Amino acid sequence: EVQLVESGGGVERPGGSLRLSCAASGYTFDDYGMSWVRQAPGKGLEWVSGIYWNGDSTGYVDSVKGRFTISRDNAKNSLYLQMNSLRADDTAFYYCVRNSGIYLDAYFDYWGQGALVTVSS
Amino acid sequence: EIVLTQSPATLSLSPGERATLSCRASQSVTSYLAWYQQKPGQAPRLLIYDASNRATGIPARFSGSGSGTDFTLTISSLEPEDFAVYYCQQHSNFLTFGGGTKVEIK
Repeated sequence: EVQLVESGGGVERPGGSLRLSCAASGYTFDDYGMSWVRQAPGKGLEWVSGIYWNGDSTGYVDSVKGRFTISRDNAKNSLYLQMNSLRADDTAFYYCVRNSGIYLDAYFDYWGQGALVTVSS
Repeated sequence: EIVLTQSPATLSLSPGERATLSCRASQSVTSYLAWYQQKPGQAPRLLIYDASNRATGIPARFSGSGSGTDFTLTISSLEPEDFAVYYCQQHSNFLTFGGGTKVEIK
């Protein structure tokens, strides 16, 4: 059974940093690209960032470019999102998702339960 | 950026009725369109991929159609567990989601 479990969410002040982690199990991790999708409370879904199966290429939505960094450790079956210079509009549930293929252009076939990030002074 | 517009925003129906949800793209996404269902307090779940293929374990009452810029998700006969929010997503050019359609009990 495919499982994606996020951790690292919490409350942070504007300008601060947080690191999200996602532990994957139940499949061969490096056979798939991965992404982070977020959802502000009561709002819709937004793709935030994605990474190739081997980590060689990444992508970001414009609003987080230069502030967020996605990475993966295939030996640990783990995905990460380093979030710096946090802003109030980064407040959201962050979902770890599996891409349908090895690259970024994909639909998302498995989702974690989400980690809540709250940015507030 | 490709913009996906979902309509209606809210659909009020009774169990057993047919639901028809629309997703329109600002430019062609060929068939690179997926549909997701999200229930309150839960993560989204993949329903349909590549416009018309049901994901694993999805009941046959869910079907997707369309290509290019106009897509439809149909639920042939609503079950109580189908009342939820539905999102479309394209992966033809970058990755974007529609704003969602809420299917509520009438």
